Amino acid sequence: AQTVTQSQPEMSVQEAETVTLSCTYDTSESDYYLFWYKQPPSRQMILVIRQEAYKQQNATENRFSVNFQKAAKSFSLKISDSQLGDAAMYFCAYRRANTGNQFYFGTGTSLTVIP
Amino acid sequence: EAQVTQNPRYLITVTGKKLTVTCSQNMNHEYMSWYRQDPGLGLRQIYYSMNVEVTDKGDVPEGYKVSRKEKRNFPLILESPSPNQTSLYFCASSLRGARLVTDTQYFGPGTRLTVL
Repeated sequence: AQTVTQSQPEMSVQEAETVTLSCTYDTSESDYYLFWYKQPPSRQMILVIRQEAYKQQNATENRFSVNFQKAAKSFSLKISDSQLGDAAMYFCAYRRANTGNQFYFGTGTSLTVIP
Repeated sequence: EAQVTQNPRYLITVTGKKLTVTCSQNMNHEYMSWYRQDPGLGLRQIYYSMNVEVTDKGDVPEGYKVSRKEKRNFPLILESPSPNQTSLYFCASSLRGARLVTDTQYFGPGTRLTVL
C-alpha cells in the first residue's frame, strides 16, 4: 500500500508570513493524484489544492501553492500571506489514478497562526 | 445545494449493539467512501464504492460492512461495535473519472461515534 508521511505534527506562523508544510509519499506508480485538505475546528474537510502527477507545473490556488518533486516523491504546501482563518489541521493525500477510488492520507499537520 | 449528509452526527452506544450510519449525496456521484479519523493516524479509508453494487475494501475494513443499493446512499454498518471503533467517521463522494477536472472528493460533516 502507498504511504503518505507528514513529518511535522505541528507548525506555527506569524500572520502575513509564509509557511511551508511538508509531505512525502511512497509509491511505485507513475500516475496518481496528490491533494492537500484543510480541516478547521468545525471538522469539515475542505480541499485546498490538487496536483496531477503527469503535470510538471506546480498547482496554485490564490495564496496556496505546491512544490511537487516527483522524483523525490515530495509534495509540500506553501501558504503565503497567512491569515488567522488558515489555522487548521492540514492533511496530505494520495489517490491512485487508474484503479478504483483508493485514497491514502497522511497523519496531518496542525497549523497555528499567530496574530 | 450540493452536499453529502451523514446521520447521526453524534452517537454513543454499547459494545455489541448493531448500528448503521447513513450517508447520502445529491450530486449523482459514482464514487463514495467511508473513512475513520483517529488522533495521530489521520484518515484511513474503510470501504469505497465505484458504483451501485460495486464496493471494495480500503485499509481498515475489519468490523465494518457497507452496501450500495442506490447511487445516492452508502450506509456504514457496524454489526457488533467494539470500543476500538470509537472514532470520527467521514463519508465522501466524487465523480468517476481520474482525468476530470471536477474529480474532487466532497466530504460529509462527520459522525462522532463512541462505543462503551
